[in-house]
Amino acid sequence: GESVGLHLPTLSVQEGDNSIINCAYSNSASDYFIWYKQESGKGPQFIIDIRSNMDKRQGQRVTVLLNKTVKHLSLQIAATQPGDSAVYFCAEINQGGKLIFGQGTELSVKP
Amino acid sequence: GAVVSQHPSWVICKSGTSVKIECRSLDFQATTMFWYRQFPKQSLMLMATSNEGSKATYEQGVEKDKFLINHASLTLSTLTVTSAHPEDSSFYICSAREGQVTEAFFGQGTRLTVV
Repeated sequence: GESVGLHLPTLSVQEGDNSIINCAYSNSASDYFIWYKQESGKGPQFIIDIRSNMDKRQGQRVTVLLNKTVKHLSLQIAATQPGDSAVYFCAEINQGGKLIFGQGTELSVKP
Repeated sequence: GAVVSQHPSWVICKSGTSVKIECRSLDFQATTMFWYRQFPKQSLMLMATSNEGSKATYEQGVEKDKFLINHASLTLSTLTVTSAHPEDSSFYICSAREGQVTEAFFGQGTRLTVV
């Protein structure tokens, strides 16, 4: 199956700091991207999405940036809280309509 | 957001038996459903994509005779792991989507342990 089967990189931040999670996507033709949060033992939870005709989108405490030139996505979480500790995945919908996940990053928030 | 219900949340079965996992969209019509497999500390690996009323499309390396997918209605898809072996032990997650380029909603996942 498609995905990257590597072990997850980790990011550790102090409570109250801002977090930036990065993701590289593979298909330059993909036109829709989503960030998901996954807590241990649960399915992924939608955070925010962005279409390829945008380069920035803001939600509540979260911002997604899209750089199509280098095929890069980032998720910024403002004022990170302990409840934000989880694994974060970017995902893209490719030309065939498939939802493909990136590698993921484990975020750990220190109180 | 929309709700996708996956059942069971965990199952333990004996080697050689088959296990069925259900995925239901509760408040929308899921024209497309995805099935993923996830090993500890790894990303979600797409196994197959199913569209209502048609055969599932399997990813390379996924045995279609071992992982039987049925998407008989717009609200239900099932994954059957046939003749399960310990190496099939994993976290299986379904996802459902209405429309072509919209967000997909995920089930709670099923932890399968084959002993």
